[in-house]
Amino acid sequence: GAVVSQHPSRVICKSGTSVKIECRSLDFQATTMFWYRQFPKKSLMLMATSNEGSKATYEQGVEKDKFLINHASLTLSTLTVTSAHPEDSSFYICSAREVVERGSYNEQFFGPGTRLTVL
Amino acid sequence: AQKITQTQPGMFVQEKEAVTLDCTYDTSDQSYGLFWYKQPSSGEMIFLIYQGSYDEQNATEGRYSLNFQKARKSANLVISASQLGDSAMYFCALEGDSSYKLIFGSGTRLLVRP
Repeated sequence: GAVVSQHPSRVICKSGTSVKIECRSLDFQATTMFWYRQFPKKSLMLMATSNEGSKATYEQGVEKDKFLINHASLTLSTLTVTSAHPEDSSFYICSAREVVERGSYNEQFFGPGTRLTVL
Repeated sequence: AQKITQTQPGMFVQEKEAVTLDCTYDTSDQSYGLFWYKQPSSGEMIFLIYQGSYDEQNATEGRYSLNFQKARKSANLVISASQLGDSAMYFCALEGDSSYKLIFGSGTRLLVRP
C-alpha cells in the first residue's frame, strides 16, 4: 500500500513555543489530507481536513489560530501547534487520500503519528 | 449527523479461536463506507477491511470478515483463528457520501490469550 510519513515522530517542547508537524505522501499524490488527534486510550478525533491549494476545514471546537494547517503541495501538509501548552500534549496522526479514483473506494493511508509533549 | 458506536471497550479471546467485534452506525447518507482499522501499541493505523453500503456480499480479507447487516446498521468485524499478534485496539470508522471524512468509534481493545 501507499506510504505516508510524519516528521517528527516525537517532540518535546516548552510551553509557549510553536511546533510544526509534517505529513508527506511518499509515493502518491493526495489532494486531501486529514489531521487527527488521539488522547491516551481514546479514539481518533478529526481536527481538520486539509485540501491542496485551499484553506483547511476545521471541525467544530478546533481552534483555527491554534492549529495552523498548510497544504502547499499534493504530497505535503503541515500542522503547526502555536503557543503550545501542556493540554496540547497528544498523539497527532495524519492521513492522506489518493487523487486517482480506483476501484470502489479510496483508502485513507495513515502516517505513523507524532507524539507531542509540552512541558 | 453521523455516528459510530463500539460498545465493547475490551475483549478477550483464546488463541486460535474466532472473535467478533461489534460496530453499529448511524448515517443519513444513502451511500457510505465502513472501515476497520487495527492500532497496535506502536500507534500506527493499519487498514483491515472495507464494506461499501451497496456491496451485496460481506467483505472478507484473509482472516478478517465483516458481518454487514444494513437494516440493523451494524458492521461487525470477525477475526478467525486469533493470533497473539492480533492483540491491539480495533476501530470501526464511517465515511459518508458527502465528504471523505472518517468518523471513528471509541475502539475495542482485544487481548489474545495464549
